[in-house]
Amino acid sequence: GEDVEQSLFLSVREGDSSVINCTYTDSSSTYLYWYKQEPGAGLQLLTYIFSNMDMKQDQRLTVLLNKKDKHLSLRIADTQTGDSAIYFCAASSTPLVFGKGTRLSVIA
Amino acid sequence: GAVVSQHPSRVICKSGTSVKIECRSLDFQATTMFWYRQFPKQSLMLMATSNEGSKATYEQGVEKDKFLINHASLTLSTLTVTSAHPEDSSFYICSAREPQGVTEAFFGQGTRLTVV
Repeated sequence: GEDVEQSLFLSVREGDSSVINCTYTDSSSTYLYWYKQEPGAGLQLLTYIFSNMDMKQDQRLTVLLNKKDKHLSLRIADTQTGDSAIYFCAASSTPLVFGKGTRLSVIA
Repeated sequence: GAVVSQHPSRVICKSGTSVKIECRSLDFQATTMFWYRQFPKQSLMLMATSNEGSKATYEQGVEKDKFLINHASLTLSTLTVTSAHPEDSSFYICSAREPQGVTEAFFGQGTRLTVV
């Protein structure tokens, strides 16, 4: 089955860019997603990308997909303290397969 | 946008009692809802898939008699933790998919269950 891996921690300074990386195993995944979870809350869908796309940009968020290497990244430009959260990568399946989440800490 | 409401957000119960958690899709009909359990600093573990009008599909290792799931309508799924024990203490999250939706775009806010 699908397996999704992420680095567990990332620390950046406010105003810098954050890049969160993810790898997956099933090349037939049609969609790949990024979710955000704030403390004590559910998950919020941030963005998703079709597998036939290389890049998707949405305001401060840029998703890059390298389908050959099965590598997905989420770049957050001008990172703010409000971006501190856990970010989950997920691959399309029914149900979704989530990575373990990357805890982003933003230092003021 | 569509909203999934989960209730209660926090509950404390005594060992041996049962607790019901509700998951409602507020402005769309969700034929399928999912129940997850999340341990501290860990990812979401899928417990079961709840299908409206039929029995839930449980993941391996999840006791169906302990975690009762009912999806009686297109907007409501419930998870009942029966005879709760302290090891059942966790964060439980539901999600729902719109009928034509791309993915589980909508998650409830989660329920923090503490069994004392």
